Amino acid sequence: GQQLNQSPQSMFIQEGEDVSMNCTSSSIFNTWLWYKQDPGEGPVLLIALYKAGELTSNGRLTAQFGITRKDSFLNISASIPSDVGIYFCAGRGGSGNTGKLIFGQGTTLQVKP
Amino acid sequence: NAGVTQTPKFQVLKTGQSMTLQCAQDMNHEYMSWYRQDPGMGLRLIHYSVGAGITDQGEVPNGYNVSRSTTEDFPLRLLSAAPSQTSVYFCASSYSGAGAGNEKLFFGSGTQLSVL
Repeated sequence: GQQLNQSPQSMFIQEGEDVSMNCTSSSIFNTWLWYKQDPGEGPVLLIALYKAGELTSNGRLTAQFGITRKDSFLNISASIPSDVGIYFCAGRGGSGNTGKLIFGQGTTLQVKP
Repeated sequence: NAGVTQTPKFQVLKTGQSMTLQCAQDMNHEYMSWYRQDPGMGLRLIHYSVGAGITDQGEVPNGYNVSRSTTEDFPLRLLSAAPSQTSVYFCASSYSGAGAGNEKLFFGSGTQLSVL
């Protein structure tokens, strides 16, 4: 079945640093999404991408839908302590919008003040 | 707005016991689903529903049952709990049953289940 590989698995950075993480798929996706999970809570949608090459920002977060449709990237600029959490990529393939959503393994981010 | 409400927050079961995890949403969402979260595995889809009276299996459905008698509620039943079902369970909903929009999920805060 479809699989997503998300990297890195974890990151420990200094406050103020920029962060990059990515997700790759063994097959083509027509939708990519990025969710964030705060400790003890459910994931919350950050950014949704629907078109190859699309670049979308949400505050300090920027995500891109890879041109091959098999990958996506999330960047966080000038990290702050509240950026701590688990970041999940999710993708959907299939024709139209009928495919199931597949989640990556998650990237755990820790920020040192 | 309450959003997606899951109960209980924590549960400990013995092997072989049965129980139901409750999920309710007050957003009139058509689509509801259950995921389990395990370390290094991300979120895996157990069962989902695109509307009242309609359910389907996800990636890891064995050992779980669901029903959708109303738009608001989507309970997950463990028929005979096993240690392999120790996990954090999330219920999620979206406004669209099928088609554009059902990828934008709203998650509950989770149920931490331990099976001894």
